[in-house]
Amino acid sequence: DQQVKQNSPSLSVQEGRISILNCDYTNSMFDYFLWYKKYPAEGPTFLISISSIKDKNEDGRFTVFLNKSAKHLSLHIVPSQPGDSAVYFCAAKSQGNLIFGKGTKLSVKP
Amino acid sequence: DTAVSQTPKYLVTQMGNDKSIKCEQNLGHDTMYWYKQDSKKFLKIMFSYNNKELIINETVPNRFSPKSPDKAHLNLHINSLELGDSAVYFCATRTTDTQYFGPGTRLTVL
Repeated sequence: DQQVKQNSPSLSVQEGRISILNCDYTNSMFDYFLWYKKYPAEGPTFLISISSIKDKNEDGRFTVFLNKSAKHLSLHIVPSQPGDSAVYFCAAKSQGNLIFGKGTKLSVKP
Repeated sequence: DTAVSQTPKYLVTQMGNDKSIKCEQNLGHDTMYWYKQDSKKFLKIMFSYNNKELIINETVPNRFSPKSPDKAHLNLHINSLELGDSAVYFCATRTTDTQYFGPGTRLTVL
């Protein structure tokens, strides 16, 4: 049973536009959420995170929004750049360990 | 200077063989993990080591055994390899809220 779901396996966006990646979770006990970015043949790298006591966290072009009542979070990238093309994993922290979604492959076209 | 390194990057072997994957970290973190990313792209936790003690084992077959000779290393030994073991294996370390991943080892069992 997937506790963290990324229902869109892929997303294609034009350079300069906004990319919105979505993630849903089922366990209301999750207290911390993270986004990881993964390039081919490399390990996931940490991108941005948010605590469950907040509803927004911003870092440069990246903003994560958390809607606890809907058990939904999203990652906004604006403006999108070709170098952002990668697989993005949503993760939720549970008792110190991370539970990952399946990932969404983002393609940013010039 | 690589924070989390894994060797080898690629490993191709026959069914029934025994193999090892090595992981080293220079971050000084107390907790290290092994993850498996299977053909469906799920990143699933296999083991966690904290100060040389195994603290979780997520229903992984006992053919898999983690070994930590010291705080900076967590190696993964796999006995009697099976076709279904083919996957990418990631080592990771943990701070309070974030995990840092190695580049991955792609294991192919023929």
